Amino acid sequence: EPEVTQTPSHQVTQMGQEVILRCVPISNHLYFYWYRQILGQKVEFLVSFYNNEISEKSEIFDDQFSVERPDGSNFTLKIRSTKLEDSAMYFCASGGAGGQETQYFGPGTRLLVL
Amino acid sequence: QKEVEQNSGPLSVPEGAIASLNCTYSDRGSQSFFWYRQYSGKSPELIMSIYSNGDKEDGRFTAQLNKASQYVSLLIRDSQPSDSATYLCAVKGLGGYNKLIFGAGTRLAVHP
Repeated sequence: EPEVTQTPSHQVTQMGQEVILRCVPISNHLYFYWYRQILGQKVEFLVSFYNNEISEKSEIFDDQFSVERPDGSNFTLKIRSTKLEDSAMYFCASGGAGGQETQYFGPGTRLLVL
Repeated sequence: QKEVEQNSGPLSVPEGAIASLNCTYSDRGSQSFFWYRQYSGKSPELIMSIYSNGDKEDGRFTAQLNKASQYVSLLIRDSQPSDSATYLCAVKGLGGYNKLIFGAGTRLAVHP
């Protein structure tokens, strides 16, 4: 069964450094998303991406964040200058094949900013 | 502010019992409703989706939707210890790119 994959599974970085989180969505899906979950808190929406552009972004998704689909398979989230409060689990999701509403989540990248 | 509310639990049930999980949402424009299961340190895993008022059954799981009351529930029959997890209710507006809005989740503990 096809699944969303994410790399790396864990990332430790120093405050102020840039990180790139990578995702390979399910191949025939049309919509791509990033969510994050701070430890002990809700899953929060960051950004949605469709037809090679951002469809919607949350207040969290400020100028330090960017997304890209550099080729036909990868979907990346870049944080330019990480802050301590960016420490969280970051989930990529994809959906929208055949008009389906369901979003399928990848295993996540645990980001720790020191 | 669109909100999804869930009782945080823990909801403790004995093995073999029915677990009932509830969720309310604030946005009347919500069109699609999902239950995800999340084990500690893992990603949300889809259990069920429901789009129309009424019940939808899938194996041991039944989702119930009442749009007039803005209420979604999940019943788990014959609960097993492996069902012990946090259950997330998620709500989505119309359109493929619309975001999921998650509740904080209900922690379910099934004891032998």
